[in-house]
Amino acid sequence: GENVEQHPSTLSVQEGDSAVIKCTYSDSASNYFPWYKQELGKRPQLIIDIRSNVGEKKDQRIAVTLNKTAKHFSLHITETQPEDSAVYFCAAPLTGYSSASKIIFGSGTRLSIRP
Amino acid sequence: NAGVTQTPKFRVLKTGQSMTLLCAQDMNHEYMYWYRQDPGMGLRLIHYSVGEGTTAKGEVPDGYNVSRLKKQNFLLGLESAAPSQTSVYFCASSVGTASNQPQHFGDGTRLSIL
Repeated sequence: GENVEQHPSTLSVQEGDSAVIKCTYSDSASNYFPWYKQELGKRPQLIIDIRSNVGEKKDQRIAVTLNKTAKHFSLHITETQPEDSAVYFCAAPLTGYSSASKIIFGSGTRLSIRP
Repeated sequence: NAGVTQTPKFRVLKTGQSMTLLCAQDMNHEYMYWYRQDPGMGLRLIHYSVGEGTTAKGEVPDGYNVSRLKKQNFLLGLESAAPSQTSVYFCASSVGTASNQPQHFGDGTRLSIL
């Protein structure tokens, strides 16, 4: 079945610097990769997603890159701000008839922005 | 438009007690999911539903049951609560399969089993 590994588990960056979080997946048939942000005590919320027909997607300071050959995708946050402090989760879908409709989440990255 | 609403927000149970968590969505989504979140383990799927009247098992279904009698509601039941079920429970819904559509989460239910 699908396995999603996320690194690092914690990340501390200076305000204004960039942050990169990487996820690897095992199912080569996976074709949809969302990223969720969860602030302390809040619900996870989608911040960006990418489909396998593109290699990169940007939304203001956030970007996601996908390397299907290597089976990894990364979240890039530029010009980090205090409100970027949160836990970030990547996810990848399970494929196959018996696994349809499900995704597997990574274990999360706690990002802290130092003032 | 409330999105996904979970009740209750907090609950403390004694071992062996039963309870039901309610999830309601007003977005007319077909797919609904129940996850549990434990420290350092991300979100793990308990059960899910691809439409009214249907349910299926996820990664960690043991000790839980679900029902989807109405399209907008997805209930999660604990038949005999155990301390290992202490967790934060999140409900989510999506317009299509989570395999290619974003999920909308509720605020969560923090459940403690003593």
